[in-house]
Amino acid sequence: AQSVTQPDIHITVSEGASLELRCNYSYGATPYLFWYVQSPGQGLQLLLKYFSGDTLVQGIKGFEAEFKRSQSSFNLRKPSVHWSDAAEYFCAVGAGDYKLSFGAGTTVTVRA
Amino acid sequence: DAGITQSPRHKVTETGTPVTLRCHQTENHRYMYWYRQDPGHGLRLIHYSYGVKDTDKGEVSDGYSVSRSKTEDFLLTLESATSSQTSVYFCAISESRRDPTDTQYFGPGTRLTVL
Repeated sequence: AQSVTQPDIHITVSEGASLELRCNYSYGATPYLFWYVQSPGQGLQLLLKYFSGDTLVQGIKGFEAEFKRSQSSFNLRKPSVHWSDAAEYFCAVGAGDYKLSFGAGTTVTVRA
Repeated sequence: DAGITQSPRHKVTETGTPVTLRCHQTENHRYMYWYRQDPGHGLRLIHYSYGVKDTDKGEVSDGYSVSRSKTEDFLLTLESATSSQTSVYFCAISESRRDPTDTQYFGPGTRLTVL
């Protein structure tokens, strides 16, 4: 079965600084990978997804992620964070059976 | 935003009582899912449905049952609620006719407290 690890529970970043969130997955074949964001009290919104092709994926809100098969990673990045990026971020992996496995999440705090 | 509503949005109940949560979609998507969200665990799949009357278990299905009698509605029932089922419950939908990479769209969530 597939699984996801998000090593960082909480990250604090200054507004305007860059952000990188780590995601490591475990799955024997080519995975389908997703990043979701959850603002306080809200549901989850898809930021981006990868399933094939170019390993650098662009998403909404200025986010991008890079799939690295050799490292089993799918890290999320943003060059310059805004206060509105404060949220919880979830990485998820799908194995082609229409089900997703989620990581435990990383909470991002943005300081002025 | 995908047309997904969940009801109720908040519920407080007592141990041992049955509880039913409803997910309603207006997208005519085939797949529907129920997750629970707990701190330190992310989201965990409880049950999912791949069509009317077609359901299957997820990773944390014990103590939960589901039903789907119409495309638009997916019900989650806690047969006898326990304090360990205090959580935030999310419904999700995906079109997934042939493509398992189809995006799952999430509802706003239901916060359930079992006393």
